Amino acid sequence: SQELEQSPQSLIVQEGKNLTINCTSSKTLYGLYWYKQKYGEGLIFLMMLQKGGEEKSHEKITAKLDEKKQQSSLHITASQPSHAGIYLCGADARGSNYKLTFGKGTLLTVNP
Amino acid sequence: GAGVSQTPSNKVTEKGKYVELRCDPISGHTALYWYRQSLGQGPEFLIYFQGTGAADDSGLPNDRFFAVRPEGSVSTLKIQRTERGDSAVYLCASSRTTGVNTGELFFGEGSRLTVL
Repeated sequence: SQELEQSPQSLIVQEGKNLTINCTSSKTLYGLYWYKQKYGEGLIFLMMLQKGGEEKSHEKITAKLDEKKQQSSLHITASQPSHAGIYLCGADARGSNYKLTFGKGTLLTVNP
Repeated sequence: GAGVSQTPSNKVTEKGKYVELRCDPISGHTALYWYRQSLGQGPEFLIYFQGTGAADDSGLPNDRFFAVRPEGSVSTLKIQRTERGDSAVYLCASSRTTGVNTGELFFGEGSRLTVL
């Protein structure tokens, strides 16, 4: 079965700083999804990447997919307290376009 | 409502009891998913409905777990003879079309189950 490893597990940054979260898959990536979760809330979709080299942005958040490395990175520019939360990457397996495997998440704290 | 609604938001029960968790998806969404999230873990897939039928229930941990969606809208996850290990947040999600790779999943806020 596919496994996703996220690094770091947790991250504390000062407001205004840039940061990067990585997600590495044990198997070939066919679709990579980034979600954000705040405590007591459901997951909020950020973006979906499907092609190698694809890069997408959502406000100050940019994600990129490196197919060869089976890895995706999520970069936040000029972080704000509103960026705080748990970032989860998810992947769908080939032949299973409805089932996502998620990583354990990266807990981001942004200090004002 | 506009989003996926899950009830109850919190449920505390005793070991051995029966529990039902309800999910009301976004109107018009044909696909519905149940996931389970344990503390410190990412969500784990349980079951996927396309319309009224369970297209894939391979993630259900054992036969104590069962889910239905009789009219293709509201779904109920049923857990019999609950065990302490069942304690988790149960997340429901829905989407417009059949596959996750056609777009985003819309998640509810989850039902937090605690089995004492």
